[in-house]
Amino acid sequence: DQQVKQNSPSLSVQEGRISILNCDYTNSMFDYFLWYKKYPAEGPTFLISISSIKDKNEDGRFTVFLNKSAKHLSLHIVPSQPGDSAVYFCAASRRTSGSRLTFGEGTQLTVNP
Amino acid sequence: SAVISQKPSRDICQRGTSLTIQCQVDSQVTMMFWYRQQPGQSLTLIATANQGSEATYESGFVIDKFPISRPNLTFSTLTVSNMSPEDSSIYLCSAAGGRGTDTQYFGPGTRLTVL
Repeated sequence: DQQVKQNSPSLSVQEGRISILNCDYTNSMFDYFLWYKKYPAEGPTFLISISSIKDKNEDGRFTVFLNKSAKHLSLHIVPSQPGDSAVYFCAASRRTSGSRLTFGEGTQLTVNP
Repeated sequence: SAVISQKPSRDICQRGTSLTIQCQVDSQVTMMFWYRQQPGQSLTLIATANQGSEATYESGFVIDKFPISRPNLTFSTLTVSNMSPEDSSIYLCSAAGGRGTDTQYFGPGTRLTVL
């Protein structure tokens, strides 16, 4: 049972444009959501998170939107840069379960110069 | 954020042997975790490393195969026992609850190949 899903295995955008990465979840008990970026041969790097009491969180070029009724979140990167090319993972947790994370399958983002 | 190191960064092992992976955090943390990323797949939680007590394993993972130690608030080890080629994966350590945040930070991973 895949509780966190990223349905797009890859996304390609032009430099300067917006990148939108999507994530869906099925477990309504999740109350904390995170996005990680992963380069080859490195561990995941934390990007941004959002609590279920919010519907938007912004940090520089990165904005995460949460739609609880649809059990959907998205990561917007504006403007996209070639250095953003990486695999992006969505993750979810229940804070009462001790921060254990459930990850999506990842989306490979390629930003073309 | 916490700085996490892992040793070794990679290894090639023979079937039937065991490998112990070390994880060191630069500050005291509440929670430490071990994940596995099999080729072409996402990250899967193996277990939560509990300081001073037995680890808490996720469904499908058992202590005999993946013994874990956590002797203090900054260090943990994961052993992959009696390895088979199916154990070839990236093994990642993570930590949370340090410096007033519960965001989980990851080490660089250990790439294991079993022949």
